[in-house]
Amino acid sequence: ETGVTQTPRHLVMGMTNKKSLKCEQHLGHNAMYWYKQSAKKPLELMFVYSLEERVENNSVPSRFSPECPNSSHLFLHLHTLQPEDSALYLCASSQDSRGGEKLFFGSGTQLSVL
Amino acid sequence: DAKTTQPTSMDCAEGRAANLPCNHSTISGNEYVYWYRQIHSQGPQYIIHGLKNNETNEMASLIITEDRKSSTLILPHATLRDTAVYYCIVRVDRGSTLGRLYFGRGTQLTVWP
Repeated sequence: ETGVTQTPRHLVMGMTNKKSLKCEQHLGHNAMYWYKQSAKKPLELMFVYSLEERVENNSVPSRFSPECPNSSHLFLHLHTLQPEDSALYLCASSQDSRGGEKLFFGSGTQLSVL
Repeated sequence: DAKTTQPTSMDCAEGRAANLPCNHSTISGNEYVYWYRQIHSQGPQYIIHGLKNNETNEMASLIITEDRKSSTLILPHATLRDTAVYYCIVRVDRGSTLGRLYFGRGTQLTVWP
C-alpha cells in the first residue's frame, strides 16, 4: 500500500466514449503526476500539478484533460481516444514538484481502447 | 539530466546478492543517482538515492564510484519478490527548478529458486 489509490484498475472503452481516471493520495503531498506506460516503452511523464496548479504538460494531445480539484485528488478525463492510447496510466505524488525524487505511485489503470 | 545505461536483463539465485550496475558517465556535480523498481503490473517503487557517498537502507545498498561515473545497486539477499524492472535515474538536486524523473528501459531482474 503506497498511499496512492487509483480507480478503476481496468478500463475498456470505445473511441467515442468519455471516461475519467481517478487518483487519490493520503500522504499529505502537494504535487501530483500522471505518467503513461505503453507496452515495451519507458514511462512517459504527461502532466504535473503543484498545489493544484498545472506546472507541466508534456505535449499531450487535448483528448487527455487533467483536473486537480484539490491537493489530494487528480483526475484524467478521456474523450475520443485512439487505440494507440491503450496503456497503463499511473498516478504519483510527492512532497514537492521541484524535488520529486521520492515519487509514490499508485497501481495504475490499465486502459484498453477498442 | 544525464543519461544512464543499464543491462537489459540479469538473473540471480534466491538468497544470493543481486548486483545491478548503472553507467552515468556524463553525470554532473549536482546530480543525484536514484533507483526505482517496478514489479509487473504495479507502479514504480522508490528504493534508494545518493550523491557521492555509499548509501544503505532496509531495501538495498547503493555504491557510487569515486568518479561518480557508475553505480551499483545491491540487494543483499534476493528473494523471488525482488523480480522486477530496476530503473537507475540521474537527476538534478532539490534546489533546481522543474526537476522531474525520466525513466529509461531499466534492467529486468529475474530471481530464480
